[in-house]
Amino acid sequence: ILNVEQSPQSLHVQEGDSTNFTCSFPSSNFYALHWYRWETAKSPEALFVMTLNGDEKKKGRISATLNTKEGYSYLYIKGSQPEDSATYLCAPFGESYDKVIFGPGTSLSVIP
Amino acid sequence: ETGVTQTPRHLVMGMTNKKSLKCEQHLGHNAMYWYKQSAKKPLELMFVYSLEERVENNSVPSRFSPECPNSSHLFLHLHTLQPEDSALYLCASSQDGTGGIGEQYFGPGTRLTVT
Repeated sequence: ILNVEQSPQSLHVQEGDSTNFTCSFPSSNFYALHWYRWETAKSPEALFVMTLNGDEKKKGRISATLNTKEGYSYLYIKGSQPEDSATYLCAPFGESYDKVIFGPGTSLSVIP
Repeated sequence: ETGVTQTPRHLVMGMTNKKSLKCEQHLGHNAMYWYKQSAKKPLELMFVYSLEERVENNSVPSRFSPECPNSSHLFLHLHTLQPEDSALYLCASSQDGTGGIGEQYFGPGTRLTVT
């Protein structure tokens, strides 16, 4: 798996706004899509692992969808809060370790 | 201790030094990883150990030498590094199996500066 893209690269939203960002990846040799949140001065933290086309997962105000046929995943944050400020990484994993690729991330800043 | 720990948190070394990074996972996972985060670059996989056996070496220069003495410990031995090796080095662990590569649990990282 090559060429993992995330958009936008960064965004600033007001507290209470909902937002979403995109992860695009080649759909061949795909096995699972991981989403991670990485807050400044902390470790990356897993949000979701999705494998099935059409999969939708939710954790609190954050949800994600997956389209394996066209090679994209969306991450949604409803009612953004300042504590959501972080870089969000997607990682489409192949079935073997030589296909572990992380995207460049989307940096989210939520303004109080 | 819980989760994944790494020591030291910060390291400054000269190009002729030899140093080691240490990682320990307290999660009972069967796979451990070294990642590198350089400035303005995506997180990059370096090495993977599954059941204490190295299963992936992502074209990493030989000046980086991993060691996995048991399923809970992982080391990265550093020797004759270059200034461009300055980066954040993250350790991770996961429980991998027939369901594929598990979600990664990351340590806090070691910020390495090579002078």
